[in-house]
Amino acid sequence: AQSVSQHNHHVILSEAASLELGCNYSYGGTVNLFWYVQYPGQHLQLLLKYFSGDPLVKGIKGFEAEFIKSKFSFNLRKPSVQWSDTAEYFCAVNANAGNMLTFGGGTRLMVKP
Amino acid sequence: EAQVTQNPRYLITVTGKKLTVTCSQNMNHEYMSWYRQDPGLGLRQIYYSMNVEVTDKGDVPEGYKVSRKEKRNFPLILESPSPNQTSLYFCASRPGGLSYEQYFGPGTRLTVT
Repeated sequence: AQSVSQHNHHVILSEAASLELGCNYSYGGTVNLFWYVQYPGQHLQLLLKYFSGDPLVKGIKGFEAEFIKSKFSFNLRKPSVQWSDTAEYFCAVNANAGNMLTFGGGTRLMVKP
Repeated sequence: EAQVTQNPRYLITVTGKKLTVTCSQNMNHEYMSWYRQDPGLGLRQIYYSMNVEVTDKGDVPEGYKVSRKEKRNFPLILESPSPNQTSLYFCASRPGGLSYEQYFGPGTRLTVT
């Protein structure tokens, strides 16, 4: 069965710091990869997705992620975080065009003003 | 406005008292899913439906039932709730075909005492 690991459970940064959140998955076949964000008290929203093509994908609000197939990774980055980026971030994987979407445990980001 | 709605948003109940959480989407999506979100575990899929009258188990189906009698609705039924089903529940939908982006509802916070 596929699994998704997010190794950073809690991250605290100051505004303008750079962000990188790790995501690793365990599946050797074709994958579709997602990052979702959940702002306090709100539902999940899609930040970005990778299906195929350029492994560096850009999403909303200045976020980007890089798919490295050899490392089974899909890390999320932002060059300069803002206080409004305080949220929980979830990596998710859909394997081999199946019906299951498997989420990582989430990373709670706090940005200090 | 395209959206997924859930009701109720908050529910406190007692062990063994049957309850239903409704989910409805107005985007004519074929796929619908239910997830539960627990701290440190991310989102885990309970059940999903590929179309009317077609449902299948996700990762954590025990203690839950679903039905899909109409395309827009996908209720989650807890026949005999137990305290370990205290959680935050999300409904999601997505179109058929190669689009795997899911659209999430606002969540239902359930407490079983």
